[in-house]
This record gives sequence, C-alpha cells and structure tokens, in this order.
Amino acid sequence: GQQLNQSPQSMFIQEGEDVSMNCTSSSIFNTWLWYKQDPGEGPVLLIALYKAGELTSNGRLTAQFGITRKDSFLNISASIPSDVGIYFCAGHNNDMRFGAGTRLTVKP
Amino acid sequence: DTAVSQTPKYLVTQMGNDKSIKCEQNLGHDTMYWYKQDSKKFLKIMFSYNNKELIINETVPNRFSPKSPDKAHLNLHINSLELGDSAVYFCASSRTGVASYNEQFFGPGTRLTVL
Repeated sequence: GQQLNQSPQSMFIQEGEDVSMNCTSSSIFNTWLWYKQDPGEGPVLLIALYKAGELTSNGRLTAQFGITRKDSFLNISASIPSDVGIYFCAGHNNDMRFGAGTRLTVKP
Repeated sequence: DTAVSQTPKYLVTQMGNDKSIKCEQNLGHDTMYWYKQDSKKFLKIMFSYNNKELIINETVPNRFSPKSPDKAHLNLHINSLELGDSAVYFCASSRTGVASYNEQFFGPGTRLTVL
C-alpha cells in the first residue's frame, strides 16, 4: 500500500531551536499536507503542497514537496512552547494516507 | 462558528451495544470522511461520502456503517461493539472540484471506550 514513513518519532527541543521533520514514501503522491494535533483535538491543517518542488511558508513553518513526489519535509523555526503537539504528514492520491506522527516537546 | 462538529465528545459503553456518532459540517463541503485513530495515534481512513455515495470503503468490519442524511451530515453507526473498537473517531470534510480539494478539515473527535 501507500505507506508513509515519518521521522523522527519524537523530538525534545529547547524553546528557540529550529525543528525539522520529514516524510518519505515508496509511492508518488499528488498532494502533500502537514497537520498538527493538540491533545484532545482533531488535526489542524498547517500547509498543503500541490506541485513537485513547491516550497511554502506559513509563519514560522516551511514545508516542501519533494522533487520526486515521494517525500516532504516540515521545518519550524524559533520554536515556542505552543508548538508542542503531534505533527502528521499526509499524502493524497485517491485517498489520504497519514504518517505515524512526530511528537514534539518544547522545553521553556 | 464550528466548522466540523461531532457529538458526543466522549462515549463509554458496554460490549455488544449499538451506538452512533454524529458529524456535521457548515463549510459547504460535498465530501465527508470518518477516520479511526488508535492508541498509538495512527490515523486510518474508514469511509468517505461524496454526494450521498460511498466512494471509499476501507476494510472495516460491516458492523460499522456510515449514514448521510444530507451533504452536511455523515453519521457513523456501530453495531455489536467490541473491545477493539475503543479509539478516537474523527470526522472530516473537504470540497471537490477545486485545486484545494485535497485539504480535509477535521472535527474535534469522539473518544469511544468499550468496556
């Protein structure tokens, strides 16, 4: 199937540090998306990418759609405590497939 | 104001019971979905509905059945609940026919606990 491998599984960082996480797949996707989930809430869309090579920013977040269409990364710059949560990558062709998530902890 | 809403937020029930979870979206979207998130936070799609037609049906037990009375609602009925059904269930919606149709918006989730 269209499995997504997301890494790292978890990150413990100091406030102010930059964060990088990525997602790879053996399959090509037409769309890559990044979501954030806070405890007790549903995933919230952060960034959607539609073209290979596309680089998109949303505030301190930057994501890229890999040239091969089989990968994507998400960077968070100058992390703050409210960045804590689980970040999911998702790839979409006929349906949406999610990575296993990256659990981010930010220490003040 | 809530874009995608679900009720109830929490559902605790006994094995063997039948239960329903309701979902409503006020975004004007024409496709709605149900996802299951297990204890390891893995999200897996269960169903999607577009214009009242089921267009995705993953290998979920037939004890689960989605019902869509109209474009704004997609309810999830579960019969003969089992312990393994305990999870968080998310409803989501999206709009087809435009460039952003892959962007799905999620509800707050329903935590189902089967005892």
